[in-house]
Amino acid sequence: DIVMTQSPDSLAVSLGERATINCKSSQSLLYDSNNNNYLSWYQQKPGLPPKLLIYWASVRESGVPDRFSGSGSGTDFTLTISSLQAEDVAVYYCHQYYESPFSFGQGTNLEIK
Amino acid sequence: QITLKESGPTVVKPTQTLTLTCTVSGFSLSTSGVGVGWIRQPPGKALEWLAITYWNDDNRYNPSLRYRLTITKDTSKNQVVLTMTDVDPADTATYYCAHRDKWLRPFDYWGQGTLVTVSS
Repeated sequence: DIVMTQSPDSLAVSLGERATINCKSSQSLLYDSNNNNYLSWYQQKPGLPPKLLIYWASVRESGVPDRFSGSGSGTDFTLTISSLQAEDVAVYYCHQYYESPFSFGQGTNLEIK
Repeated sequence: QITLKESGPTVVKPTQTLTLTCTVSGFSLSTSGVGVGWIRQPPGKALEWLAITYWNDDNRYNPSLRYRLTITKDTSKNQVVLTMTDVDPADTATYYCAHRDKWLRPFDYWGQGTLVTVSS
């Protein structure tokens, strides 16, 4: 089974500053036949379901602000928020859909400093 | 417009069987590539994938819960049902169903979730 590990567990960033969340998978999520990384990022606010932000490691979901970006390949991935806004306070999860059983990271709690 | 809605009991006693229903709209469960999965989240904890059923009747399960879970779908009713046997207080969680396209995307549309408490 693929284990997803995020770092840090918690992060406090000043408004307007950059926030960076890392995600590491226990095996490669890169599918050679199509050169896609089966890694996505979700944002979850209290009392709400997760919201898809990024898929294929770097493709932004429709309607997601361009301050959100994803990067990485293989086993190491990063979610970057270029200029933190108050509405970005949430828990962020990485998720591998490379193979079943699918798995999520433990979550990163993002707060305002 | 794709929507999913979970329904089921809010409280279940230990050792009982939990049955949750996901009613979908805006897509067909028989369309090539379509999958509907179940994910749960204990209070204050992380997301845990449970099971998924695909358009072609390919069903997959989390091995840690495999012998307790059954996922089925009724295409004519636009419903996906998850059954979990022998529940325990550790199964207390918000249960979500979610849509994915196996070829194109991960879980992209989610239901609002339903909180299930296991307590005697």
